[in-house]
Amino acid sequence: KAGVTQTPRYLIKTRGQQVTLSCSPISGHRSVSWYQQTPGQGLQFLFEYFSETQRNKGNFPGRFSGRQFSNSRSEMNVSTLELGDSALYLCASSLGPLGGSGNTIYFGEGSWLTVV
Amino acid sequence: AQRVTQPEKLLSVFKGAPVELKCNYSYSGSPELFWYVQYSRQRLQLLLRHISRESIKGFTADLNKGETSFHLKKPFAQEEDSAMYYCALTTSGTYKYIFGTGTRLKVLA
Repeated sequence: KAGVTQTPRYLIKTRGQQVTLSCSPISGHRSVSWYQQTPGQGLQFLFEYFSETQRNKGNFPGRFSGRQFSNSRSEMNVSTLELGDSALYLCASSLGPLGGSGNTIYFGEGSWLTVV
Repeated sequence: AQRVTQPEKLLSVFKGAPVELKCNYSYSGSPELFWYVQYSRQRLQLLLRHISRESIKGFTADLNKGETSFHLKKPFAQEEDSAMYYCALTTSGTYKYIFGTGTRLKVLA
């Protein structure tokens, strides 16, 4: 069974631009969550989608948004990029919503975003 | 607010020595706690979770609700244990995961 797939793997953007990252979950998984990973802050929760509905959002500005499609694939968008947005963005999928008893989340390899 | 604290950024031990990676959490209810590991050039993956009460690759972790801790232990470290370890917490109905900042474990030959 294919794992969580994220595209693109690497990208460089300029301050002020916007970026869209894509995530294809494991087949059958309906929950997709996104995380920002930086050396100083570790992994920070961005948001979670289950059955096309955002269930929760982390403490990030409104420039960070996402959506989930009917096939469970998800995208996240960052508008008006800032230098501090440079990070590894990880997507994870699970069968059920986060917090469900016993639900394991499976991570993708991530998308490396560099803002210059 | 829910929080996970991993006080050590880096932990170096010699091969064969015991290992303990510390994790403390703040949450007044009943959390689910996990340890995730990231080996070099590999994706983040689940190591173990407290509800399973299992031992994976010789690692164990016991949830201590009194001390709000979930420390990861292994009696004899191996070089292949060198990796980044993250403690994580989730709770029913919150639809989120909270991760600690991670501890890099280096096992020296």
